[in-house]
Amino acid sequence: QVQLQQWGAGLLKPSETLSLTCAVYGGSFSGFYWSWVRQPPGKGLEWLGEINHSGSSRYNPSLKSRVTISVDTSKNQLSLQMSSVTAADTAVYYCATGPRYYGSVREDYWGQGTLVTVSS
Amino acid sequence: QSALTQPASMSGSPGQSITISCTGTSSDVGGYNYVSWYQQQPGKAPKLIIYDVTKRPSGVSNRFSGSKSGNTASLTISGLQTEDEADYYCNSYTTTSTWVFGGGTELTVL
Repeated sequence: QVQLQQWGAGLLKPSETLSLTCAVYGGSFSGFYWSWVRQPPGKGLEWLGEINHSGSSRYNPSLKSRVTISVDTSKNQLSLQMSSVTAADTAVYYCATGPRYYGSVREDYWGQGTLVTVSS
Repeated sequence: QSALTQPASMSGSPGQSITISCTGTSSDVGGYNYVSWYQQQPGKAPKLIIYDVTKRPSGVSNRFSGSKSGNTASLTISGLQTEDEADYYCNSYTTTSTWVFGGGTELTVL
């Protein structure tokens, strides 16, 4: 059973850089595409970007200039960095498998979510 | 990219069937059979219930079904149960090789 555990700073000041890490346990890191998704309080889901084990990544065009997703295959981890944060970036951030997937059957796993608050 | 359009809220009674729509364009929903649906309970991470328009992941009830016509995808929940009360989100692949979510639908089971 695949488990995702994520961590990172929960309180940032405007203009700082958000940094989150997601560790993958119990499964094949190279067998999935990995995404970061966020959800502002009381609002809907927003896809931030995706990456595979070889580092091939794609980003939400509206955030592309501020978001970087990377992988460390030696640790089975993926990371999210978002620069120049503002209050509008306050949200629960999730790492997850998919939506892109390998093979014919999709498996769905999510991290526990990390609330990141941006406030001066 | 613009979010896909979903009704903000819907309601139904136990035992009824309900269909949630997700409208996009030919550049996303209409162009690919890569529409997913997620269920999110309060305070929890989303859970995948439909992928590739019609496929159900292992363990998901067959009361959930998906379909698509043109630029609109639909999620149908049959035999509504109180435990189905949740937020539902659609998600689609786009022509820019990225993904976009719908705004979400809050489902109330009365």
